Amino acid sequence: QVQLVQSGAEVKKPGASVKVSCKASGYTFVNHYIHWVRQAPGQGLEWMGIINPSGGTTAYAQNFQGRVTMTRDTSTSTVHMELSSLRSDDTAVYYCGRLASDRTGAGTFSDYWGQGTLVTVSS
Amino acid sequence: QPVLTQSSSASASLGSSVKLTCTLSSGHSSYIIAWHQQQPGKAPRFLMKLEESGSYDKGSGVPDRFSGSRSGADRYLSISNLQSQDEADYYCETWDRNTRVFGGGTKLTVL
Repeated sequence: QVQLVQSGAEVKKPGASVKVSCKASGYTFVNHYIHWVRQAPGQGLEWMGIINPSGGTTAYAQNFQGRVTMTRDTSTSTVHMELSSLRSDDTAVYYCGRLASDRTGAGTFSDYWGQGTLVTVSS
Repeated sequence: QPVLTQSSSASASLGSSVKLTCTLSSGHSSYIIAWHQQQPGKAPRFLMKLEESGSYDKGSGVPDRFSGSRSGADRYLSISNLQSQDEADYYCETWDRNTRVFGGGTKLTVL
């Protein structure tokens, strides 16, 4: 069965960086885009960016341009999301999601989600 | 890029039915959307993909009580025979090339 298993909770100081991982299993890793979404306490879902595990190409939301980097390791079927220059308002649960593929192989909607990783930014 | 608008809250009684709405912005009324459920303290769960035609494909294990429909730019999620475990936040999602968009979410309270 499809599973996305994320790394554990992190506590970081302002200005630091955090790297969250998302390990995929139960399907062919390179056939599905992965995206990252975060949820601040009591808030809705905020889209961060997307990566194509096949070629490693990425696209980031404007709000995160310059601060976020998404990479993949095809040998371990893992996607990583690194967010730098952390601020207190980056405190949130970070989710990875697998995107269903359309006939051309492009990513569409989220059909599976990771369990979430809480990142707390505090001095 | 598209914008998705959802009511912030809805409520209905145990055993009754409810219809949640997600509205696509002007010029994007043909877009496909997806519905997700997020129970308190849990990750989102994919419920269904809803096409412009009104046809929908549900995720694995989603009960028959959940269905989708549309009217113009509005996309609906209907839940019948409401159960206590249906109390959750419901989000709609759409996409445009490499950008994804989420609605603000509707908090459903089961009375």
